[in-house]
Amino acid sequence: GAVVSQHPSWVICKSGTSVKIECRSLDFQATTMFWYRQFPKQSLMLMATSNEGSKATYEQGVEKDKFLINHASLTLSTLTVTSAHPEDSSFYICSATLTANQPQHFGDGTRLSIL
Amino acid sequence: AQTVTQSQPEMSVQEAETVTLSCTYDTSESDYYLFWYKQPPSRQMILVIRQEAYKQQNATENRFSVNFQKAAKSFSLKISDSQLGDAAMYFCAYRSLGGTYKYIFGTGTRLKVLA
Repeated sequence: GAVVSQHPSWVICKSGTSVKIECRSLDFQATTMFWYRQFPKQSLMLMATSNEGSKATYEQGVEKDKFLINHASLTLSTLTVTSAHPEDSSFYICSATLTANQPQHFGDGTRLSIL
Repeated sequence: AQTVTQSQPEMSVQEAETVTLSCTYDTSESDYYLFWYKQPPSRQMILVIRQEAYKQQNATENRFSVNFQKAAKSFSLKISDSQLGDAAMYFCAYRSLGGTYKYIFGTGTRLKVLA
């Protein structure tokens, strides 16, 4: 149980385009979802926390207008990288949790490459 | 604010031997959760073990066990009978009991298993 699906797993696109990444909890309803960014050989950096039906809470230094997060249902959150540029290239991972005493369950990540 | 420190950037262990990965944290809270996650080259985040701070008994999961020292704010991971498949990045994570459920990750320890 507790499976989180993330799509796409890899995307390459031209500079200036927008890219949407989906995160779905397949067998549970996720009250809270998280979006992380991971640079090579580094730890996960939390970008934002999203709760279903509410605006996402962004971490300090993360541009809200660049990284749009929507959590429209208890099983789906999306991250849209708007007007992506090469510096946005990275590995993005989502996670989901149901309740306070449950661990976060992670998606398999999305490798984003902006040319 | 809470912090998590993993002082060993890289560790090596011979196959079938035992290795201990260290993690220390700083917090003023009395109740919280601690986790160890494994990230193999596939970059999937896999939960290895979790510990509730109010439990004195150290958590164990098959070959994985922790040494939780609350007063010392230490949470080390012991891997017994190491296998080649244990080679990965290992991240220690802290989470408060309440609030947003978000994790604070350490910088990670890369574990190499030698045949």
